[in-house]
Amino acid sequence: KQEVTQIPAALSVPEGENLVLNCSFTDSAIYNLQWFRQDPGKGLTSLLLIQSSQREQTSGRLNASLDKSSGRSTLYIAASQPGDSATYLCAVTDGGADGLTFGKGTHLIIQP
Amino acid sequence: ETGVTQSPTHLIKTRGQQVTLRCSSQSGHNTVSWYQQALGQGPQFIFQYYREEENGRGNFPPRFSGLQFPNYSSELNVNALELDDSALYLCASSSRINEQFFGPGTRLTVL
Repeated sequence: KQEVTQIPAALSVPEGENLVLNCSFTDSAIYNLQWFRQDPGKGLTSLLLIQSSQREQTSGRLNASLDKSSGRSTLYIAASQPGDSATYLCAVTDGGADGLTFGKGTHLIIQP
Repeated sequence: ETGVTQSPTHLIKTRGQQVTLRCSSQSGHNTVSWYQQALGQGPQFIFQYYREEENGRGNFPPRFSGLQFPNYSSELNVNALELDDSALYLCASSSRINEQFFGPGTRLTVL
């Protein structure tokens, strides 16, 4: 059974810092990995999708990497801003009909 | 392009009642998945519908059921509500490369 772990559970940093969020998964037979952002009480916003054959994806100040063999992904946020404050969730799928398996998320606070 | 929409936004029910939640998928997506998210937890997969058939299910009892319609919209039905069913219910539709796009969710409170 796939399990996803995210470290740290919470993070508070001053504005302008670069930061890294970590995600690990136990079964390396994944089809893809997605990073999401969730604001309090809201739905999930897809940030980046990495296919299993890819090593990284970039969107603006965000960069996600994938090391499938070691079961790890990182989300790098450059020049953090207060508007980046949210919970960041990592999820994997094997491409079948079993849906996404999520971690519990990293609660990020960017201090102005 | 219209995103994933869900209704209602909030719902309050009492134990033992039944509830129906609705989801409209993103244009062009024929697969819809439902997730339950308890406070402070990551979403848990309930089931997935593809072309009006359930083709995948997570570890949820049969009182959680669903439908998908020809226009790919979907319903989640929960019978005999329990207090632990209180959660945010999320619907997602999938693109061809299996990227999932989520709706805003329905907050269900069971008293």
